[in-house]
Amino acid sequence: NAGVIQTPRHKVTGKGQEATLWCEPISGHSAVFWYRQTIVQGLEFLTYFRNQAPIDDSGMPKERFSAQMPNQSHSTLKIQSTQPQDSAVYLCASSLDSGTGGYEQYFGPGTRLTVL
Amino acid sequence: GQGVEQPDNLMSVEGTFARVNCTYSTSGFNGLSWYQQREGHAPVFLSYVVLDGLKDSGHFSTFLSRSNGYSYLLLTELQIKDSASYLCAVREPNYNVLYFGSGTKLTVEP
Repeated sequence: NAGVIQTPRHKVTGKGQEATLWCEPISGHSAVFWYRQTIVQGLEFLTYFRNQAPIDDSGMPKERFSAQMPNQSHSTLKIQSTQPQDSAVYLCASSLDSGTGGYEQYFGPGTRLTVL
Repeated sequence: GQGVEQPDNLMSVEGTFARVNCTYSTSGFNGLSWYQQREGHAPVFLSYVVLDGLKDSGHFSTFLSRSNGYSYLLLTELQIKDSASYLCAVREPNYNVLYFGSGTKLTVEP
């Protein structure tokens, strides 16, 4: 079991460029979560998929952020027109079916995004 | 939303204990989790509690009081390697999303 895989581990973009972050959840986990972590704000929830369907994106900045889960083996988080305030570590987590328990979320190593 | 509060820092001495506090004010509650996070690494699950009282898991124990919106993580027989950030997270009832506190950085000194 390789755990949750995130790529790239580090990404540097210029202001206004697009960034796409990838997550491969643990095989058999039906729930996938995206979080963002900064020193100032801490760990913030962004969005959540269950069985590939988007369930809750209440934490997502609506204008430039989007997330998809085209199949059960990967999810992407896309940030358009990146801004310096988007600089953060983006963490993906997966868990078993959260509707029947699945309280333990397994986190990936994160992608450190730096917007210059 | 969920307001989850933790002190920023905590220091203790090797061989003794440390209690990491967490208070929350919620619009709903479906349990509380504790995670350990080392510098530059992802959070790692430690414990989940949903009923009041103390849950003893050896080196880590957790306490919950739902009426007071309060939990703590107790680390006993501290080792230097216990130095890390400890994150408290409240589980939202509808979709089981976690709302995290800012974390408490525990420093264990010799």
